[in-house]
Amino acid sequence: GAGVSQTPSNKVTEKGKYVELRCDPISGHTALYWYRQSLGQGPEFLIYFQGTGAADDSGLPNDRFFAVRPEGSVSTLKIQRTERGDSAVYLCASSLRPGQNTEAFFGQGTRLTVV
Amino acid sequence: GNSVTQMEGPVTLSEEAFLTINCTYTATGYPSLFWYVQYPGEGLQLLLKATKADDKGSNKGFEATYRKETTSFHLEKGSVQVSDSAVYFCALNPNSGNTPLVFGKGTRLSVIA
Repeated sequence: GAGVSQTPSNKVTEKGKYVELRCDPISGHTALYWYRQSLGQGPEFLIYFQGTGAADDSGLPNDRFFAVRPEGSVSTLKIQRTERGDSAVYLCASSLRPGQNTEAFFGQGTRLTVV
Repeated sequence: GNSVTQMEGPVTLSEEAFLTINCTYTATGYPSLFWYVQYPGEGLQLLLKATKADDKGSNKGFEATYRKETTSFHLEKGSVQVSDSAVYFCALNPNSGNTPLVFGKGTRLSVIA
């Protein structure tokens, strides 16, 4: 596609439920990143994929959070037993390759609200 | 560790005013520095970047100079427009290659006609 696509754009779920957030990166981009942006804050890193493998998952807050990228393209962020504190905008970004100077392109995000 | 501190907003300016948004960073080694912009209803977009000391990034009339001696990357524009109203994020990428971006908290700019 023309840009990074994230679905859904908005998700409201009840506390304790399971949610999946999807990211379609730009075609051909090998690096994919997930960030979480809370109100009034900048994006905070969650996990980074190079191809199919998670190269760095040090930002995942706890074991309720998990992400996959089985074919090296689309990625799904999964949150189990959601809590109200998980409410945030979840951003996905992709870049042609990893690297310090490679531009990352961001999707519009999924706004998750846990009630 | 790596961190970015930018001035808190919101910043409200009249059209054609001069803009400065301060950004300082803490990093080991020699990071690359970025400004991202988020317009209402849109995703983050790269505005400009600088990859080494004394480099100046520029785009759409915005400029920022990588100052290693003051660990700063302040964003400036000589004459802002209403269309510049957005949230601006300063960010760094550490020099270890595959590490992700580290963002500041963002500064909301509102430009009034």
